[in-house]
Amino acid sequence: QSVLTQPPSASGAPGQRVTISCSGSSSNIGDNTVNWYQQLPGSAPKLLIYRNNQRPSGVPDRFSGAKSGTSASLAISGLQSEDEATYYCATWDVSLNGPTFGGGTKLTVL
Amino acid sequence: QVQLVESGGGVVQPGRSLRLSCAASGSTFSNYAIHWVRQSPGKGLEWVALISYDGSNKHYGDSVKGRFTISRDNSKNTLSLQMNSLRGDDTAVYYCATDLGPGGGSTLYYWGQGTLVTVSS
Repeated sequence: QSVLTQPPSASGAPGQRVTISCSGSSSNIGDNTVNWYQQLPGSAPKLLIYRNNQRPSGVPDRFSGAKSGTSASLAISGLQSEDEATYYCATWDVSLNGPTFGGGTKLTVL
Repeated sequence: QVQLVESGGGVVQPGRSLRLSCAASGSTFSNYAIHWVRQSPGKGLEWVALISYDGSNKHYGDSVKGRFTISRDNSKNTLSLQMNSLRGDDTAVYYCATDLGPGGGSTLYYWGQGTLVTVSS
């Protein structure tokens, strides 16, 4: 059972905007920055968003992140078929004394 | 850029031990904290262990504490995970990943391709 709660699935048509939520608590999201990872089928995870809203080099600006209080969100605009993947949020958890991941959201592009 | 290559995975019986390695090349390995993260078949990501840039600080997930030991050799650009008293629920793909900073956090910037560990009799 993950301490960060994500919806198990999300979907959208090509070109649409999709938002994935990540809910935590004061011991994790409330006190730390949030990162997002994209895992394509059969591949290793890849850092997509770090420090709430920063994109690593090479990540399209269609991907954006936000954080408010004990929740965070990942938005994907102009949805493309290659965005079909599982997305994980992650942050440091003071109680666990380590990083913690959300359960993952599988995104389907219709 | 940092390239990471894990090795050492395989099939092992319950109760036995296994040692995983992660070889790094590219940017300065010794500047970054490094993590082990695992993923059981069909499941999500689970953080396993973290070691700071100089090896002075180590953290472990509750499910592996007391059984797994993380270590690094900056002179050889390698990271290791010694896994003892293995159980069936340790079956997973194990990834090594560099942190964004020296002390460790939750920003895992570069990832290896993973090595599969199967615990089965």
